[in-house]
Amino acid sequence: QKEVEQDPGPLSVPEGAIVSLNCTYSNSAFQYFMWYRQYSRKGPELLMYTYSSGNKEDGRFTAQVDKSSKYISLFIRDSQPSDSATYLCAMSTNNAGNNRKLIWGLGTSLAVNP
Amino acid sequence: DTAVSQTPKYLVTQMGNDKSIKCEQNLGHDTMYWYKQDSKKFLKIMFSYNNKELIINETVPNRFSPKSPDKAHLNLHINSLELGDSAVYFCASSQPPGDTQYFGPGTRLTVL
Repeated sequence: QKEVEQDPGPLSVPEGAIVSLNCTYSNSAFQYFMWYRQYSRKGPELLMYTYSSGNKEDGRFTAQVDKSSKYISLFIRDSQPSDSATYLCAMSTNNAGNNRKLIWGLGTSLAVNP
Repeated sequence: DTAVSQTPKYLVTQMGNDKSIKCEQNLGHDTMYWYKQDSKKFLKIMFSYNNKELIINETVPNRFSPKSPDKAHLNLHINSLELGDSAVYFCASSQPPGDTQYFGPGTRLTVL
């Protein structure tokens, strides 16, 4: 079993739809949870960052972490064609030390159709 | 100002050649990374340096040799290029290690 599972999609939705993207994980030591967005032929860019459990909202984006279920979600409200991209989840432990690293999901490809 | 920059952006070369990719960050971060992203878009970490010291080496063939002359620069040299090395290589930096990472624009390597 991979440490982080993410459905690669593709996911295709009409403009204005609410999009739900998810990742599950197996390592209960993960404490930092991130969502990155990657446009075609560009580098990933940080979208949302959450520490431990709970929700975080930023404009049309909401990140949720459910540590009891080892499940994280990213919701996009009123989706726009400009949201079409690959969304990658990433997470890391709280361990001190220089070898702490991000564990990445495969990424979900999203297309928002006008 | 570009936070993390890479050169070159595109690299097309023949099998067996040696090539280098350069990365620079102006964020003041101590930690830098090299990732490989294959055609299926999976991001695989290759190396990580913290303050010029190698801290992560993820079972990468020894044809790949990273070098960090200072904490703002991390270069990747690849010897005897193979077809399977074709991918996009991303440089990233963070402060501290394992925390939010900032990525460069990528170097698209094609080995013919």
